[in-house]
Amino acid sequence: GENVEQHPSTLSVQEGDSAVIKCTYSDSASNYFPWYKQELGKGPQLIIDIRSNVGEKKDQRIAVTLNKTAKHFSLHITETQPEDSAVYFCPPTGTASKLTFGTGTRLQVTL
Amino acid sequence: DTGVSQNPRHKITKRGQNVTFRCDPISEHNRLYWYRQTLGQGPEFLTYFQNEAQLEKSRLLSDRFSAERPKGSFSTLEIQRTEQGDSAMYLCASSFSEGLAPFFGPGTRLTVL
Repeated sequence: GENVEQHPSTLSVQEGDSAVIKCTYSDSASNYFPWYKQELGKGPQLIIDIRSNVGEKKDQRIAVTLNKTAKHFSLHITETQPEDSAVYFCPPTGTASKLTFGTGTRLQVTL
Repeated sequence: DTGVSQNPRHKITKRGQNVTFRCDPISEHNRLYWYRQTLGQGPEFLTYFQNEAQLEKSRLLSDRFSAERPKGSFSTLEIQRTEQGDSAMYLCASSFSEGLAPFFGPGTRLTVL
C-alpha cells in the first residue's frame, strides 16, 4: 500500500509570507495527487489536485508541483492569510478509490 | 446546500449501545466513502460504495461495523456494541467517479462513555 510522509509536521509563518509543504510517497503507481485543507471541527476540503502527466498547477495563491521521479509533490501557498491556518493533507492515489492520509501538516499563520 | 451532509453531527453514547449515522452524498455522485479520524491523525479509510454495491472494506471495519447504501443514494454506518475505542470523527465523502478526489462532509463526532 501507499506510504505518505509530510514535512514539516508543523509550520508557522507570518501573514504575507509563503508556505511550502512537501509530501513524499512510496507507490510508483500513484498518478493522482490531491491536497486537502482541514479546519478545526470540519471535514477535509479539496483545495487543489494534480495528475501525473502535469508538473505544476496553480490556482490563485496556491500551487502544486510534482516530481514523479523523486516521488514527491509540494503545496505552495503565497501571501498567506490567517484563514489559511489549518491542517493540510496530501493523500496520493492510483485510482482515488481509497485515499491514504498521513498525519498532516499543521499550518499556523500569525499576524 | 449541495454538499455532503451527515447526521447527527455529534453523538454521545454509553459503551455497549448501538449507534447509526447517516450520510447524504452530493446528488448524482455514485461513489460514497466512509472514513474515521481520531485526534491528531489523518482520516483512515473504512469502506466505499459504487452505487449500492459495497466494493471494499478496510480491516478496520470489524464485525461490529456495518455500512449500507440500499438505493445507491444515502448511506448508513452502524456500530453495534460500541466500545470506548470507537470514539472518533466519522467522515463521509462522495465523488462522481473513479479518478476524482472525493468531497467530504462535516463528519459525525462519536463519543463513547
